[in-house]
Amino acid sequence: EAQVTQNPRYLITVTGKKLTVTCSQNMNHEYMSWYRQDPGLGLRQIYYSMNVEVTDKGDVPEGYKVSRKEKRNFPLILESPSPNQTSLYFCASSPRAVSYEQYFGPGTRLTVT
Amino acid sequence: GDSVTQMEGPVTLSEEAFLTINCTYTATGYPSLFWYVQYPGEGLQLLLKATKADDKGSNKGFEATYRKETTSFHLEKGSVQVSDSAVYFCALSDHGRKNTGKLIFGQGTTLQVKP
Repeated sequence: EAQVTQNPRYLITVTGKKLTVTCSQNMNHEYMSWYRQDPGLGLRQIYYSMNVEVTDKGDVPEGYKVSRKEKRNFPLILESPSPNQTSLYFCASSPRAVSYEQYFGPGTRLTVT
Repeated sequence: GDSVTQMEGPVTLSEEAFLTINCTYTATGYPSLFWYVQYPGEGLQLLLKATKADDKGSNKGFEATYRKETTSFHLEKGSVQVSDSAVYFCALSDHGRKNTGKLIFGQGTTLQVKP
C-alpha cells in the first residue's frame, strides 16, 4: 500500500530533551516536506526537500533540523524542544515539487512540558 | 505574501443539507487551488483541485470552481452525509518564480453533520 508513515504518533516530552520524529514514504517520491498544524493557523511548512541531500527552510524552521540521506526518509529533529513546539506535525511527499497532490502521513502529536 | 482565508467554523448541518464553505486567496502568481479533508485522527487527503482559472474541481459530490475575478474557490456539496463530518482545508500552491512545492493553507473549517 502506498503510504507515508510517521513515528511516533504521540509523544510527550520535557523541555530540552532531544527528539526525532521519523517519516518514511514508499512511493519513490522526490519531494518531502514537514508541516505543523496549530489551532486557528492551519498548516505551516517547516522544512522541505526537493531530493536526496537537498533541503531548505519553510516558513517556520526555527528550532528544527532535518536531513535527507535516503530518498524514502525525512526525519524531523528537535535538538532542544520547547513548549511552543507543542503541535501536531505532518510529513508529506509528492512525486516532485511541481505536483498537484501531496500525500500526508497520519500525524504526530507532540507535547513539550 | 500569498495567503488563504476560510470561513470560520464549526459548521453544523443536518443530513442532506446543502454545504458551502467559503475560501478566498491572495497570490501574486498563478496558483493552483486545492481542498484537502482531514477525518478525525487521520492525515490530510486531497479532495479536489483546480489548476487554472474557471476550472472546476469535483470529487465525491463536492465541487469548487476557480474564480480568478473574485479570487475565490468555494467548496459546495448538494447533500451532505454524516460521513462528511471532518475538517476541510483550502490551500494554494504557487508554481511561480521559486517553486518550493509549499502548500499555503487556510485555517480549516470543521463540518459536523447530524443525522
